[in-house]
Amino acid sequence: NAGVTQTPKFQVLKTGQSMTLQCAQDMNHNSMYWYRQDPGMGLRLIYYSASEGTTDKGEVPNGYNVSRLNKREFSLRLESAAPSQTSVYFCASRLTGADGYTFGSGTRLTVV
Amino acid sequence: KQEVTQIPAALSVPEGENLVLNCSFTDSAIYNLQWFRQDPGKGLTSLLLIQSSQREQTSGRLNASLDKSSGRSTLYIAASQPGDSATYLCAVRREGTYKYIFGTGTRLKVLA
Repeated sequence: NAGVTQTPKFQVLKTGQSMTLQCAQDMNHNSMYWYRQDPGMGLRLIYYSASEGTTDKGEVPNGYNVSRLNKREFSLRLESAAPSQTSVYFCASRLTGADGYTFGSGTRLTVV
Repeated sequence: KQEVTQIPAALSVPEGENLVLNCSFTDSAIYNLQWFRQDPGKGLTSLLLIQSSQREQTSGRLNASLDKSSGRSTLYIAASQPGDSATYLCAVRREGTYKYIFGTGTRLKVLA
């Protein structure tokens, strides 16, 4: 099925460990986004990629890095996980400026 | 800085009622606005997208309106059903940016 695929769906990390969250879309969308969702905080933008080859910081980029590997894939890396990074992470994509978002189903990350 | 507010935070109604969810934003220079539905533990599903030049959009029992000058959007749900129970989020994209700012949502429960 066409859409945005995120892996893994669940992950538990120890403080200080690193990991990469994967996101891929098969809709030929140009821009891709990483959000985190926390209770009472809503969704906050971490990083985004307006087009292949570009990335920019969002509201809460500290502690994260991203890679736009190609047009389909946009990964989010935690180099040294902290308990404050416990959250649900969503990837989204969009075709053009006039279009809305399509979201993935999320990755639930717990850092202990 | 764009701020998006959704009131009420939670709403419980009997089945069959028509209801209105509200979304307010502080900066009227928006490009478009998107309404989403989120079921517990799931990702976001796009419901309606309204461009800044439009006044409303309709999909089935859902109707979303936009009043840029007053900084408001409403999502109208006709003849509510228990299956409509979910959290409803609005997201606003400011002119000249790629980013959406999300409200914290209205948690709707429709009682059978």
